[in-house]
Amino acid sequence: EIVLTQSPGTLSLSPGERATLSCRASQSVSSRFLAWYQQKPGQSPRLLIYGASTRATGIPDRFSGSGSGTDFTLTISRLEPEDFAVYYCQQYGSSPITFGGGTKVEI
Amino acid sequence: QVQLQESGPGLVKPSETLSLTCTVSGGSISNYYWSWIRQPPGKGLEWIAYIFHSGSTNYNPSLKSRVTISLDTSKNQFSLKLSSVTATDTAIYYCARGLTMFDPWGQGARVTVSS
Repeated sequence: EIVLTQSPGTLSLSPGERATLSCRASQSVSSRFLAWYQQKPGQSPRLLIYGASTRATGIPDRFSGSGSGTDFTLTISRLEPEDFAVYYCQQYGSSPITFGGGTKVEI
Repeated sequence: QVQLQESGPGLVKPSETLSLTCTVSGGSISNYYWSWIRQPPGKGLEWIAYIFHSGSTNYNPSLKSRVTISLDTSKNQFSLKLSSVTATDTAIYYCARGLTMFDPWGQGARVTVSS
C-alpha cells in the first residue's frame, strides 16, 4: 500500500498569502494518478487537481499542482477567504487507492 | 450535470450489516467507475471499493472480507454492504464517480454504529 504523508498538518496564513502544501508518497506514483481535493466543514470533498497538475472544471487558476515520483505540491498563489479548508492528496498508482492525512489551511 | 445521493439507515447495531445506496441522476451509470469512500468523525478519507459498469469490482484489502459493492443499471444506482460492523465503522459514507480521481461526490450519509 502506498502511504501518502501530507505536511504540514496545519498551515496558518492570512488572506493574500501564498500556501504551499506537500504530499510525499512512500513509493513512486505516476503523475497521471495523483489528485488533490478541498474539503470545507460539513461538505463533501471537491476535486481541485488531477494528473498532478491539471485543474478540474471551474477551479480558479490560483490553484496549481506540481511534482512527480514521490513528491507533489499544491500551491495556492493568493489565499482567498473561501480557501481556508482541509486539503487532501490521493493516489491510484497502485491498489488500494489511498489518501493523505490532510493539511488544514487556517487563518 | 451528474449528481449523486446516498441513502440508507443512519443507525446500525453492532454485528449487523450496513447497507447504503447511491442514486445517480443527470447522467448514466454506464461507462464509468463508481466508488464508496468513508470518513470517520474528525478524521481523513478511506477508499472502500469501486465497481465498473460491467460489474468488475475492487476492494480495499483492509475491508475486503466484509464489503460487497453492487450495481443496478436499471435504477441508475449502486450499493454498499458492510457486514459485522463495529463502532469503528461509524463514519460519513460518500459515493463518488471515478477510479483514478473522484468527481463528483455525493453529500454523504452519516452512519453511526451503536446499540
